[in-house]
Amino acid sequence: DGGITQSPKYLFRKEGQNVTLSCEQNLNHDAMYWYRQDPGQGLRLIYYSQIVNDFQKGDIAEGYSVSREKKESFPLTVTSAQKNPTAFYLCASKVRTARAPLHFGNGTRLTVT
Amino acid sequence: DAKTTQPPSMDCAEGRAANLPCNHSTISGNEYVYWYRQIHSQGPQYIIHGLKNNETNEMASLIITEDRKSSTLILPHATLRDTAVYYCIVDRDGNTGKLIFGQGTTLQVKP
Repeated sequence: DGGITQSPKYLFRKEGQNVTLSCEQNLNHDAMYWYRQDPGQGLRLIYYSQIVNDFQKGDIAEGYSVSREKKESFPLTVTSAQKNPTAFYLCASKVRTARAPLHFGNGTRLTVT
Repeated sequence: DAKTTQPPSMDCAEGRAANLPCNHSTISGNEYVYWYRQIHSQGPQYIIHGLKNNETNEMASLIITEDRKSSTLILPHATLRDTAVYYCIVDRDGNTGKLIFGQGTTLQVKP
């Protein structure tokens, strides 16, 4: 079955360490997205990429970095510069056709102590 | 960018229709209305979207008022598995797919 895989589901890190969250899709989608969700809140866009080797900052990109070397993969690195990294991180993808819906993975819950 | 307003929570009896309202009074002519839902600790799931005509699919119906300032998502026969947070979103940028997810409506379906 086609879909988006985020791994791991739970991740624990010490403060000051960088951590990379994985996102892989086999839907042949061109565009991929990273969102952050805090408890009781909606989703906020971190970064997005519409094509390989290109990506754009979203609304809350500070303290995060991404790469898009392959169409299937869009890893997110949470750096030590991110002041409040503990959150639920969601990856999504879509075809580049306007109005096409987003398909989401089941998220990675990151806890930094 | 158009903003949306949704009630924070609603209850619905199992088997009855769930009608979830959304206000988007500042919507512009080329902006679509999207609905997603998120079951606890999972990624959001796309439900339906529309511009000005009513839309129906296997999951739900979307009713958009003639002036497009509000819409209603209808789940015709709610089940316990429909308990989730429902997000009404106005498409800010159709080309990039950048959607603004607010806090949504928590729908509790009760037996």
